[in-house]
Amino acid sequence: KNQVEQSPQSLIILEGKNCTLQCNYTVSPFSNLRWYKQDTGRGPVSLTIMTFSENTKSNGRYTATLDADTKQSSLHITASQLSDSASYICVVSMTTDSWGKLQFGAGTQVVVTP
Amino acid sequence: NAGVMQNPRHLVRRRGQEARLRCSPMKGHSHVYWYRQLPEEGLKFMVYLQKENIIDESGMPKERFSAEFPKEGPSILRIQQVVRGDSAAYFCASSPGGPNIQYFGAGTRLSVL
Repeated sequence: KNQVEQSPQSLIILEGKNCTLQCNYTVSPFSNLRWYKQDTGRGPVSLTIMTFSENTKSNGRYTATLDADTKQSSLHITASQLSDSASYICVVSMTTDSWGKLQFGAGTQVVVTP
Repeated sequence: NAGVMQNPRHLVRRRGQEARLRCSPMKGHSHVYWYRQLPEEGLKFMVYLQKENIIDESGMPKERFSAEFPKEGPSILRIQQVVRGDSAAYFCASSPGGPNIQYFGAGTRLSVL
């Protein structure tokens, strides 16, 4: 069973609108949580990274929140643009042995339409 | 400063052939990670290497798969006697020291006929 679950699996939004993506994780012990953006045919690109003590982190129109108690995170996209069409991946870093292995969610596919 | 370079971008092999995937990390990075992504699934960790050393290969299948990161040259992920189930996108990432900041390449898409 995947330790990082994302919802929804996909969504379509109109250009200029906002949307929120969800991530629930069961990874323990937990080091940090990241959100990546992956364009079709490309590698993932980091958007935000938060330690367990951080509640929110912004990167331009992207804002990530983290509730370490409930093990939930969200990524909010404000005023969406066509270039936001991509897969958004929630990634949790485990604290195992001497390094933080990454556990990836399956991603939320976002399509922004004109 | 060029990013993580992977080649080839696309690789087609027939069942039973060997596949060699190459990854050149970002300049100054000595840590390399390989991941596999199946359609509709998240990336799965395969192996973590530092120059000339395998740090963690817990995600690597026990047979047919091997990885190296020599003192000179790119990291190589080698798949012997490929089967159709090996068809996937293989991503490489690198970091300057430790896994906290990983930069990903564009991936190699392997198709096994």
